[in-house]
Amino acid sequence: DGGITQSPKYLFRKEGQNVTLSCEQNLNHDAMYWYRQDPGQGLRLIYYSQIVNDFQKGDIAEGYSVSREKKESFPLTVTSAQKNPTAFYLCASRLRTDTGELFFGEGSRLTVL
Amino acid sequence: DAKTTQPPSMDCAEGRAANLPCNHSTISGNEYVYWYRQIHSQGPQYIIHGLKNNETNEMASLIITEDRKSSTLILPHATLRDTAVYYCIVRVPNRDDKIIFGKGTRLHILP
Repeated sequence: DGGITQSPKYLFRKEGQNVTLSCEQNLNHDAMYWYRQDPGQGLRLIYYSQIVNDFQKGDIAEGYSVSREKKESFPLTVTSAQKNPTAFYLCASRLRTDTGELFFGEGSRLTVL
Repeated sequence: DAKTTQPPSMDCAEGRAANLPCNHSTISGNEYVYWYRQIHSQGPQYIIHGLKNNETNEMASLIITEDRKSSTLILPHATLRDTAVYYCIVRVPNRDDKIIFGKGTRLHILP
């Protein structure tokens, strides 16, 4: 079935370690997104990518990095520079045509101890 | 910043219509209104979108005012499974790539 797969679903890391969250889509979507969600809060945009080998910072990019080497993959690295990395991370994708609604993955919950 | 404002929370009795408002007073002529919902600890799900005409699908109806400065999402017969956070966003469909969400409305369906 087509969709977006995020892994891992749950992740625990020690403070100071870099962490990479995976996001893969087989929908042939052009654009991909990473959002962060804190408890009881809305979604905040970290990074987004419109095409392969190109990406832009969102509103809270500091302490994060991404790559877009393949159309179907958009991994997010949470670096040790991110001061408060514990959060729920959501990946999304969409076609850059027509209605272009977002399709989301099920999320990755990162806890830094 | 988000271009929309929504009440932080609302209650609705099970079986009644849930009417969720959204203000988008600075909306431009080619921006559409989109609605998504997020059930607890899951990824958000697309519900419906519209430009200026009212829209209906199997999930909900969208009513957009004539001046397009506000809209209402209607869930005609709310069930407990409709308990979720509902987000309203505005954007140009095949152009705006930076998609910003606000804080949404937390809808509680009461048994």
